[in-house]
Amino acid sequence: DIVMTQSPDSLSVSLGERATINCKSSQSVSYSSNSKNYLAWYQQKPGQPPKLLIYWASARESGVPDRFSGSGSGTHFTLTISSLQAEDVAVYYCQQYYTTPHTFGQGTKLEIK
Amino acid sequence: QVQLVQSGAEVKKPGASVKVSCKASGYTFNNHYVHWVRQAPGQGLEWMGVINPSGGSSSHAEKFQGRVTMTRDTSTTTFYMQLTMLKSEDTAVYYCARDGGDRSGWFYFDFWGQGTVVTVSS
Repeated sequence: DIVMTQSPDSLSVSLGERATINCKSSQSVSYSSNSKNYLAWYQQKPGQPPKLLIYWASARESGVPDRFSGSGSGTHFTLTISSLQAEDVAVYYCQQYYTTPHTFGQGTKLEIK
Repeated sequence: QVQLVQSGAEVKKPGASVKVSCKASGYTFNNHYVHWVRQAPGQGLEWMGVINPSGGSSSHAEKFQGRVTMTRDTSTTTFYMQLTMLKSEDTAVYYCARDGGDRSGWFYFDFWGQGTVVTVSS
């Protein structure tokens, strides 16, 4: 199975500041044949299901604010929130869909400083 | 609008089975695979498997082989996930989630059900 490791486990950021979450996969999740990275990011608030933010590592889902962006390729990926808002407090997960079983990172808890 | 509406909470004894339903609406039923994902209390997300609405074939994580069955009813546009031989470690919130791809493969999850709490306790 591909192991997804996120860092940090928790993060405290001031309102309006940048938040950066990292995700590393134990093997590449990129297909050279189509140059796509099979990596998604989700946001989960307490008592709610996860919400898709980013897919193909950098494509923003419809309706997601443009302060959320994804980058990276191969085995290293980053989710960036450019200017933290109060409603961004949540747990964030990365997920690889390169192969089954699809696997998730352990989650990063984002709080307001 | 796309909706996945799941059945209500369940309490089961060890060794029993549970069947969770997920009614899909707001999109063409056959056009998207549906995955099942679970989340133990205070824990992360765990992929269980995926079902093809067209034909009903499914694929499961090896961890659940022999214990999980995924089915669908095209007449009611409802998906089902049955888990047998329940253990306390199966206590979790179970989610259905729609695959966001075009059925050329299994991809990210663009819509999720609200979750079904399954508690396994003697």
